[in-house]
Amino acid sequence: QSVLTQPPSVSEAPRQRVTISCSGSSSNIGNNAVNWYQQLPGKAPKLLIYYDDLLPSGVSDRFSGSKSGTSASLAISGLQSEDEADYYCAAWDDSLNGYVFGTGTKVTVL
Amino acid sequence: QVQLQESGPGLVKPSETLSLTCTVSGGSISSYYWSWIRQPAGKGLEWIGRIYTSGSTNYNPSLKSRVTMSVDTSKNQFSLKLSSVTAADTAVYYCARVRAAAATWDYFDYWGQGTLVTVSS
Repeated sequence: QSVLTQPPSVSEAPRQRVTISCSGSSSNIGNNAVNWYQQLPGKAPKLLIYYDDLLPSGVSDRFSGSKSGTSASLAISGLQSEDEADYYCAAWDDSLNGYVFGTGTKVTVL
Repeated sequence: QVQLQESGPGLVKPSETLSLTCTVSGGSISSYYWSWIRQPAGKGLEWIGRIYTSGSTNYNPSLKSRVTMSVDTSKNQFSLKLSSVTAADTAVYYCARVRAAAATWDYFDYWGQGTLVTVSS
């Protein structure tokens, strides 16, 4: 049972913007960096955002991350069909002394 | 370009020990943390643990009693052993490289393709 809660699914039309929330607590998001991973169908996860809002080299700037208190968000602008995937937030949890992933959100492009 | 490749049996009997190895190529295994992560079919990601090249480890508390990780810097490999497996341990197992600017600011920048391990008699 994950300690980071995400909506199971979000959907939007092409070229629109979607936001995925990730709710945690003071022992994880509130005190550690949040990272986001994209998992395309049948593939390994890929780093999308690290340290709350930083983009790895090669990742489209249509993706952006933010954090406030014990919650974080991932935004995808200019939605494209290739963005259909599962998205996971993640952070270290000081209470568990381990890394935790969010419950995951499936993005569907209508 | 760093590449990771998991290897090991795809079928393990209940109560036995699951053993996987991750081979790192395109870069040195030294001076990094390395992690194992798993994903049951149709479910989310679960962190299993991490190991530094010195041998220092952190394990998921829910698996700690059954997990052992090790590293072999001479072979650029690290390994996972999970004992007393049950059907609930059936999953795709990924290995990943950990980057961290601080002790708990981990993120995974390189991942293996994953290997399916099925626990069944």
